[in-house]
Amino acid sequence: AQSVTQPDIHITVSEGASLELRCNYSYGATPYLFWYVQSPGQGLQLLLKYFSGDTLVQGIKGFEAEFKRSQSSFNLRKPSVHWSDAAEYFCAVGALEYGNKLVFGAGTILRVKS
Amino acid sequence: DADVTQTPRNRITKTGKRIMLECSQTKGHDRMYWYRQDPGLGLRLIYYSFDVKDINKGEISDGYSVSRQAQAKFSLSLESAIPNQTALYFCATSAATSGRYEQYFGPGTRLTVT
Repeated sequence: AQSVTQPDIHITVSEGASLELRCNYSYGATPYLFWYVQSPGQGLQLLLKYFSGDTLVQGIKGFEAEFKRSQSSFNLRKPSVHWSDAAEYFCAVGALEYGNKLVFGAGTILRVKS
Repeated sequence: DADVTQTPRNRITKTGKRIMLECSQTKGHDRMYWYRQDPGLGLRLIYYSFDVKDINKGEISDGYSVSRQAQAKFSLSLESAIPNQTALYFCATSAATSGRYEQYFGPGTRLTVT
């Protein structure tokens, strides 16, 4: 069965520090990959997506992610975190072969300390 | 105005009551989805619809039903609510015809069953 793992439930970083959120997937197909962010009391906002091509993708709010097929990973990064980045982040994976339905990871809660 | 709207935003109901959550979209997308979010579990798919005449069960459909009244409207019903259906519910849309499968989410409905 398809699965998505976000190993870190919580991460705390200092404002201005770099950030990496991990995402690993298990899919028997060519995946397409997403990162979403959920601010408190809000819905999910798409940060970035990968379908094909360049494995380093840029998103909104200064985020980027790198697809590594050999490691089945799609980690999210940001060079300098701002206090407003505190939120919950979800990795999601889909595939044409699975009817384009998305499978979500359990989420990583990011706390930013000043 | 928001592209994907959900009503109500918050609802408290009693065990055994019937409740309907509604979703409307102005994005012109053909595909609509219902998810529930529980802490530590991410988002899990309840039902999805690829067009008005198409309804499909997701991962956790037991205890739920849906109706796709029009391309822009997709309702989720709990026929007899139970406390373990207390969760945050999200509606989402996507446009398969564009070749892009990212989903766009509404703001969520927080449902409490007492």
